[in-house]
Amino acid sequence: DSGVTQTPKHLITATGQRVTLRCSPRSGDLSVYWYQQSLDQGLQFLIQYYNGEERAKGNILERFSAQQFPDLHSELNLSSLELGDSALYFCASSVSAGDRASTQYFGPGTRLTVL
Amino acid sequence: GQQLNQSPQSMFIQEGEDVSMNCTSSSIFNTWLWYKQDPGEGPVLLIALYKAGELTSNGRLTAQFGITRKDSFLNISASIPSDVGIYFCAGPDSNYQLIWGAGTKLIIKP
Repeated sequence: DSGVTQTPKHLITATGQRVTLRCSPRSGDLSVYWYQQSLDQGLQFLIQYYNGEERAKGNILERFSAQQFPDLHSELNLSSLELGDSALYFCASSVSAGDRASTQYFGPGTRLTVL
Repeated sequence: GQQLNQSPQSMFIQEGEDVSMNCTSSSIFNTWLWYKQDPGEGPVLLIALYKAGELTSNGRLTAQFGITRKDSFLNISASIPSDVGIYFCAGPDSNYQLIWGAGTKLIIKP
């Protein structure tokens, strides 16, 4: 158990809908990262938050947004969903910046299926 | 930008065989991380390397930080069925953002 929790575990929805994925980082970790992993693909970095502020952006679509709350949990919002958004979405957390502190610990993921 | 190249892309092995995979870059890294992802699960950190030349073991797994700081190797001895999965290497860039390899998929031959 990495200490990172994600809910829900599975999510099935229809095209055009909007969903929210939730992540709670490990105790003491200030950074939260979101990744997308499509079937048999590698990890695509979406976005990072550090202590409530956006820190880095990857290949995140404009239809997607995220935020980190004062209690450090994070939410990833996916809107106007398309079939191609079906994927595993992972949250990871790390202590902060710095080489050793950048080691990321992953949650179990949310499997999103868009029908 | 910095890239990590992992090879091989996939490996078919017999149970009991030793496995070797590597990760290379044209850039220098100060940290190398090796993760394993089981199907449908999140990646789990296996080994972290922080010093050039460092050799670190975790059970049957051994990883090395190349002395040029541009590569790293992961070896698995006497593979067992639960070793199946995808192995990712990763390292922080100059902004401490993790760069990820594309993964090596390990498959055990029946």
